[in-house]
Amino acid sequence: SYVLTQPPSVSVAPGKTARITCGGNNIGSKSVHWYQQKPGQAPVLVIYYDSDRPSGIPERFSGSNSGNTATLTISRVEAGDEADYYCQVWDSSSDHPGVVFGGGTKLTVL
Amino acid sequence: QITLKESGPTLVKPTQTLTLTCTFSGFSLSTSGVGVGWIRQPPGKALEWLALIYWNDDKRYSPSLKSRLTITKDTSKNQVVLTMTNMDPVDTATYYCAHRGSTSSGPFDPWGQGTLVTVSS
Repeated sequence: SYVLTQPPSVSVAPGKTARITCGGNNIGSKSVHWYQQKPGQAPVLVIYYDSDRPSGIPERFSGSNSGNTATLTISRVEAGDEADYYCQVWDSSSDHPGVVFGGGTKLTVL
Repeated sequence: QITLKESGPTLVKPTQTLTLTCTFSGFSLSTSGVGVGWIRQPPGKALEWLALIYWNDDKRYSPSLKSRLTITKDTSKNQVVLTMTNMDPVDTATYYCAHRGSTSSGPFDPWGQGTLVTVSS
């Protein structure tokens, strides 16, 4: 089955840029979605189809996807961005196509 | 505005069958391409996809849990039901349902608030 690998944690100072990676075999050929989850809350979609932003998500959030790595970039990080972030793809390459989530990355704002 | 809400027992005993209902509004599960998925999250752990049902009654299951899961829909009631058999304490988690739009390989958006299910004797 398809595996998505995320770093367990990323730390960044306020005002700086955070980059959260999501690794997978030829992930660049798949569509990647990113979710933000704050403590005690349901996940919220922040990036879809690699780089599109839903309405209401700040322009500071952006995404890219190429080769074996997709990246969520958060510019000018704010304290309110502190959360867990998950990448997700649809894996149609196996005998049992389905949804795959990464293991999540905890973003800490220093 | 699309909303979803999960309901079901908060406590189940080991070996019992869990039945969860997702009641939604703001969309129709008879619209081409639309789906509703179930995802769970054990305390302090990552998201895990469980199942997905489409407008045409096509169903997809997590390979690791396929033998224990059944997903059904009642379009007239705007509900999706997930059953999971032979519950175990490791199945203790918050269970979410989520809307999947009509585009191919689309994301889950939005999600329900989730419901915590504890498995204990």
